[in-house]
Amino acid sequence: DTEVTQTPKHLVMGMTNKKSLKCEQHMGHRAMYWYKQKAKKPPELMFVYSYEKLSINESVPSRFSPECPNSSLLNLHLHALQPEDSALYLCASCPSGQEDEQFFGPGTRLTVL
Amino acid sequence: SQQGEEDPQALSIQEGENATMNCSYKTSINNLQWYRQNSGRGLVHLILIRSNEREKHSGRLRVTLDTSKKSSSLLITASRAADTASYFCATGRVYKYIFGTGTRLKVLA
Repeated sequence: DTEVTQTPKHLVMGMTNKKSLKCEQHMGHRAMYWYKQKAKKPPELMFVYSYEKLSINESVPSRFSPECPNSSLLNLHLHALQPEDSALYLCASCPSGQEDEQFFGPGTRLTVL
Repeated sequence: SQQGEEDPQALSIQEGENATMNCSYKTSINNLQWYRQNSGRGLVHLILIRSNEREKHSGRLRVTLDTSKKSSSLLITASRAADTASYFCATGRVYKYIFGTGTRLKVLA
């Protein structure tokens, strides 16, 4: 299995909702990433987990809360989001994180009303 | 911003022509990678070039790297309509990857 899966594909939520994005990989990769991408812009790094520990938090607002329950799973919990948080959220993994090739999931298209 | 710059921002060519896009970055690197993204989807890794390499080929792709100028170029030869996508360069340093601004390529059939 050489793919990264993300669910859901699309998500519409209100500003008072709580929802979660899910990412899964079964390639034995030890580093997993969350990126946010706005239209016609490059992906922006949000969080990095290495060996199931949070390694990098790019000053992301606390309304985004990452979780890595095990080496194959990565979640992003969402609460009290703003309309400007609407974007494509991409998950990626790579073997060790030491400047390897990244494998991306298809993304979750999030709309905050 | 640490973000790399890519040019051109957009490129439109006829099928069969070659497409060249350029990437400039700001910090010293160990490698530089190129990715492709079809509209609204995940990124796909194309090629990785290490700082001690000057040129690398993969199928119809040719990448060059000039560390003295902090720049790289991606050449796609004999382009096809299926090459229509956004192309991003990325530099990584210990878990942290920074993507360039991207080039939107449109190949007309």
